[in-house]
Amino acid sequence: ETGVTQTPRHLVMGMTNKKSLKCEQHLGHNAMYWYKQSAKKPLELMFVYSLEERVENNSVPSRFSPECPNSSHLFLHLHTLQPEDSALYLCASSRGLTNTGELFFGEGSRLTVL
Amino acid sequence: GESVGLHLPTLSVQEGDNSIINCAYSNSASDYFIWYKQESGKGPQFIIDIRSNMDKRQGQRVTVLLNKTVKHLSLQIAATQPGDSAVYFCAETNNYGQNFVFGPGTRLSVLP
Repeated sequence: ETGVTQTPRHLVMGMTNKKSLKCEQHLGHNAMYWYKQSAKKPLELMFVYSLEERVENNSVPSRFSPECPNSSHLFLHLHTLQPEDSALYLCASSRGLTNTGELFFGEGSRLTVL
Repeated sequence: GESVGLHLPTLSVQEGDNSIINCAYSNSASDYFIWYKQESGKGPQFIIDIRSNMDKRQGQRVTVLLNKTVKHLSLQIAATQPGDSAVYFCAETNNYGQNFVFGPGTRLSVLP
């Protein structure tokens, strides 16, 4: 148990569906992240939030929409996805943005787009 | 620990032997490095870290070596056990900060 909880663990959706991934951290951290893990690529950073403010958007298509209502919760809203978006989506948190050590990851949400 | 085509490099070791997993990093300004372990169906777990002012750091059964001259990082696992079977990633960042760059990973298989 890393203190970062992701739901759902598995999600199958059609290209016209709208769904959301949820992440909650119980560590009192101030920064939260979304990463994409595909079978053929290293971990890719998607979004970074610090104290509920988005500080980085790594050229992610607009069909992915993050939301951070407070420092403990992070969402990734999904809309009109493509089959190539099928991947493991990992949420992570850290104490802050700099000089704060490692990232703590959740177990991931495995997304399949049909 | 570098990508070979589209496949993860794989290291197979006999149970009880020592394992060495390598990683070449890209940014000479990186000053903080982490090794993560990812078991099947789970998220990456922190194993050990090292800052650029050190060459070596030891944990429980694991040692990380940093060679800044050739930008190389290695993870040594002593007396490898079946539970060590996983994919291992290195990650680098500068300013001990959030912009971690992850390597492609190496799959470790422990043979009985």
